Amino acid sequence: EVQLVQSGAEVKKPGESLKISCKGSGYSFTSYWIGWVRQMPGKGLEWMGIIYPGDSDTRYSPSFQGQVTISADKSISTAYLQWSSLKASDTAMYYCARQRVAWLPGYWGQGTLVTVSS
Amino acid sequence: DIVMTQSPDSLAVSLGERATINCKSSQSVLYSSNNKNYLAWYQQKPGQPPKLLIYWASTRESGVPDRFSGSGSGTDFTLTISSLQAEDVAVYYCQQYYSTSALTFGGGTKVEIK
Repeated sequence: EVQLVQSGAEVKKPGESLKISCKGSGYSFTSYWIGWVRQMPGKGLEWMGIIYPGDSDTRYSPSFQGQVTISADKSISTAYLQWSSLKASDTAMYYCARQRVAWLPGYWGQGTLVTVSS
Repeated sequence: DIVMTQSPDSLAVSLGERATINCKSSQSVLYSSNNKNYLAWYQQKPGQPPKLLIYWASTRESGVPDRFSGSGSGTDFTLTISSLQAEDVAVYYCQQYYSTSALTFGGGTKVEIK
């Protein structure tokens, strides 16, 4: 069974750094793309970017390029999303999702709630 | 980016009645080399991650009830719930996965019971 387990909720202050994780199991981690999706409070879904853990090929949505960094450690089957300097507007639920067909996210993590507040 | 526009923003349907949600893309998501529409539908219930219902515009994901169906091609797509059940109350999103520079979602349609 494909499972994606994300790290727990975070509360941070503006300007702080953060790295959240997504651990995959039940499949070959290096053979499927994993993407990240943002959902701001009460809002819709926004695709942030995607990584292929096999060779770390990474693509970003133009809206998120330069704002976040996506990475993966294939030795522990874990993908990451990180910020170097958080803003209040980064407050959101963040989901990781594994490719189902093409780049389509088909298997989703449970979400990580990030709250940025002074 | 390909812009996905859903309509309506919300709809209320009686139990057992049909619900229809529309999704329009700003450019075609039909890939000519394989004749597939790179369009998916998701269901999201409160406090849960999205759940994939339909991909390739009309292929139902395993385990999804057959009251859910997808149709359309090119730029115009429809998700139909043939007989609304109480457990179908949710927000529904379309998504294109044609453009590998940015996958984009529609704004969502909230389905409620009338």
